[in-house]
Amino acid sequence: DTGVSQNPRHKITKRGQNVTFRCDPISEHNRLYWYRQTLGQGPEFLTYFQNEAQLEKSRLLSDRFSAERPKGSFSTLEIQRTEQGDSAMYLCASTTRGLAGHNEQFFGPGTRLTVL
Amino acid sequence: QKEVEQNSGPLSVPEGAIASLNCTYSDRGSQSFFWYRQYSGKSPELIMFIYSNGDKEDGRFTAQLNKASQYVSLLIRDSQPSDSATYLCAVNPTWGSQGNLIFGKGTKLSVKP
Repeated sequence: DTGVSQNPRHKITKRGQNVTFRCDPISEHNRLYWYRQTLGQGPEFLTYFQNEAQLEKSRLLSDRFSAERPKGSFSTLEIQRTEQGDSAMYLCASTTRGLAGHNEQFFGPGTRLTVL
Repeated sequence: QKEVEQNSGPLSVPEGAIASLNCTYSDRGSQSFFWYRQYSGKSPELIMFIYSNGDKEDGRFTAQLNKASQYVSLLIRDSQPSDSATYLCAVNPTWGSQGNLIFGKGTKLSVKP
């Protein structure tokens, strides 16, 4: 399978716990995006990497959220001191400028987080 | 605030009919436009993108773009029950040409056998 992969697929945690998600992009893709999606809404942008550099962060990304892409390959998204409002599907997408530069983004299967 | 608007639906069409999904966007300088299909509980799947005014066809799908009216649509011909899903419109805004996409809330399509 050469698509975007995400782990875990589901995570249930108690309020106040820390969680970490992993995303492995399509191998030749240098750009990686994190989005969050809640029921009835479209994906909302969280942050974006080009290679290992984090180029942009949404104001949705509070201080409790941190993302890394240390070697420009896989990325991790950590949420500290989780709150019930963090319950959502966390989506990772990747793309490469080689696709005519129109920024077609391909999504992984997502990680569904439930905070009890 | 850059926005993408879609009718949430549900849009119900009989099998074999044409389904028409619409999207408007607020940023006149937006560059590229995308349609994603999302089945319940799954992640979005890219089905088409368009960046020039006019029509773009791919199999049973046709994307239409009118930049003057800031309007993009997706037509699905010969609709099948397997097309039942939420269709998300996404826009690549000028200020982040390689950055994040802005998504609408999606239109839920139901194709009745």
